[in-house]
Amino acid sequence: DAKTTQPPSMDCAEGRAANLPCNHSTISGNEYVYWYRQIHSQGPQYIIHGLKNNETNEMASLIITEDRKSSTLILPHATLRDTAVYYCIVRVVETSGSRLTFGEGTQLTVNP
Amino acid sequence: GAVVSQHPSRVICKSGTSVKIECRSLDFQATTMFWYRQFPKKSLMLMATSNEGSKATYEQGVEKDKFLINHASLTLSTLTVTSAHPEDSSFYICSARLISGTGELFFGEGSRLTVL
Repeated sequence: DAKTTQPPSMDCAEGRAANLPCNHSTISGNEYVYWYRQIHSQGPQYIIHGLKNNETNEMASLIITEDRKSSTLILPHATLRDTAVYYCIVRVVETSGSRLTFGEGTQLTVNP
Repeated sequence: GAVVSQHPSRVICKSGTSVKIECRSLDFQATTMFWYRQFPKKSLMLMATSNEGSKATYEQGVEKDKFLINHASLTLSTLTVTSAHPEDSSFYICSARLISGTGELFFGEGSRLTVL
């Protein structure tokens, strides 16, 4: 799976948009971009994923650059409960296995 | 989203004893489950891939005789930490792969093991 690079930490004001960047310059054509987050002492929570088109769901938006070498997760109106470690992962979706390898992620702190 | 449940959420045991952690997919069947461990302030480290009806595949450096994995049904995988020692104290997390769609993974709540 392609390696990803994320800033170790970010801060955001409550109610503002949080934009979390991820670089994946070695991504292959058949690799998806996945985002998960982990609130302290809990299991990771799936947020969103995409291949090349921008995606949006009830939690967030995912913007993938045209060359697919980077992406941005957007939390449109961050709340205190969004404070967590956010992981950007790229992986091939196989018929079996589908391993997820976690990097160090970005610690997002939402401040009141 | 799909629900994955782990039990127990916390366990404290004496050194030398064995501890079993269960991972269940509650509303879907999972032919493949994954086990991770996580140390404080560190990322998740994949330990093994558990396949229903066959032997687990362990990552390099993970002792298969130490961490026994059984995936006897499409909704249950278990991790047994045998002869636990204090260095085995960690946060253990399982995940199950959704077969449909693009196969996203859903994670359990985690099990915190403390070995005294």
